[in-house]
Amino acid sequence: AQSVTQPDIHITVSEGASLELRCNYSYGATPYLFWYVQSPGQGLQLLLKYFSGDTLVQGIKGFEAEFKRSQSSFNLRKPSVHWSDAAEYFCAVEAPGGDQKVTFGTGTKLQVIP
Amino acid sequence: DAGVIQSPRHEVTEMGQEVTLRCKPISGHNSLFWYRQTMMRGLELLIYFNNNVPIDDSGMPEDRFSAKMPNASFSTLKIQPSEPRDSAVYFCASSLIAAGETQYFGPGTRLLVL
Repeated sequence: AQSVTQPDIHITVSEGASLELRCNYSYGATPYLFWYVQSPGQGLQLLLKYFSGDTLVQGIKGFEAEFKRSQSSFNLRKPSVHWSDAAEYFCAVEAPGGDQKVTFGTGTKLQVIP
Repeated sequence: DAGVIQSPRHEVTEMGQEVTLRCKPISGHNSLFWYRQTMMRGLELLIYFNNNVPIDDSGMPEDRFSAKMPNASFSTLKIQPSEPRDSAVYFCASSLIAAGETQYFGPGTRLLVL
């Protein structure tokens, strides 16, 4: 079974600073990989996803993520954080060609300070 | 599109009462997922349907929980009898049937069982 680890529970960054959120997965092959964002009191929204091909994936809201097979990682990045990016971010994995079951990480809560 | 609609948004009930949560998926989507989110356990998949048929209910905690999807535009999650440990945010999500499809989440129902 696949699993995903987000080692950082909380991250605080200053507005305008760069951001990197870490995600590591465990699966025998390359899974489908996702990043979702959850604003307070809201459901989750997809930021980006990776299936195969180019390892640098562009998403909405200026986010990007890089797949690194050697490190089993799929880290999320943004060059300049805005106050509106404060939210909780979830990395998720799904077995390719499988049963549509997505396993979510425990989330990283992002705080943005002025 | 109105997105995934969940009702009620908030529910406060007493232990032992029956609770029914409702979900209307995005029109045209034929997969529907029920999740539970708690601080302790994160986001857990309870059950999902394809074409109104339950495919995997292995995440349903116990017999007190049941879910139905009588048609393509409506699903319910019922808890009977409810217990304080059922307090959580329950999300419904919908997607097209295919591996790697984006799941679109509703705003959630925040349930408090006293």
